[in-house]
Amino acid sequence: GEDVEQSLFLSVREGDSSVINCTYTDSSSTYLYWYKQEPGAGLQLLTYIFSNMDMKQDQRLTVLLNKKDKHLSLRIADTQTGDSAIYFCAEIKQAGTALIFGKGTTLSVSS
Amino acid sequence: DAGITQSPRHKVTETGTPVTLRCHQTENHRYMYWYRQDPGHGLRLIHYSYGVKDTDKGEVSDGYSVSRSKTEDFLLTLESATSSQTSVYFCAITYDRNTEAFFGQGTRLTVV
Repeated sequence: GEDVEQSLFLSVREGDSSVINCTYTDSSSTYLYWYKQEPGAGLQLLTYIFSNMDMKQDQRLTVLLNKKDKHLSLRIADTQTGDSAIYFCAEIKQAGTALIFGKGTTLSVSS
Repeated sequence: DAGITQSPRHKVTETGTPVTLRCHQTENHRYMYWYRQDPGHGLRLIHYSYGVKDTDKGEVSDGYSVSRSKTEDFLLTLESATSSQTSVYFCAITYDRNTEAFFGQGTRLTVV
């Protein structure tokens, strides 16, 4: 497909793990990104992964990359209410310059 | 926070009027971008700039123009605003390709 695709909603309980999935478009994309947007705010870079990596871990965050399937996932361990936000997957296509975003996944964490 | 300032933060305007949004950066980053964010669409690229006076169109450029006369300022103009341009507009900057993008706080534009 031509779009970066994400599921739109995810609801978890506090303390559980959250997994947000993304399918991107360009197998030549060199960097893939996860951004977080809190209500009323701009986007903040959470983490990124280089295309020659399969996995990247950063504290509670784990990014998994499956290049064959063009699938990216973000796992948040021990999800907290403060993790409630919209999470965007993004890529820079090989021939492009700008970030191309998915529609975003709204994560809702209940206590 | 990266030094990006968008102005105004909120604006209500009438259909058919011209509107200019400003993005100002203090980071001396080469690349600047304008995105719009709408429910169900995520962020879509309007225009971007890769240097002073160097700009290019994005995915949803119709009805918008941009100008970059100085490294620090990137202006987005709606020549004749329409209700379909009601949106939240974000400016972003990157030092180069494949580097972290920093976002402004957004401008909420309502066209009535």
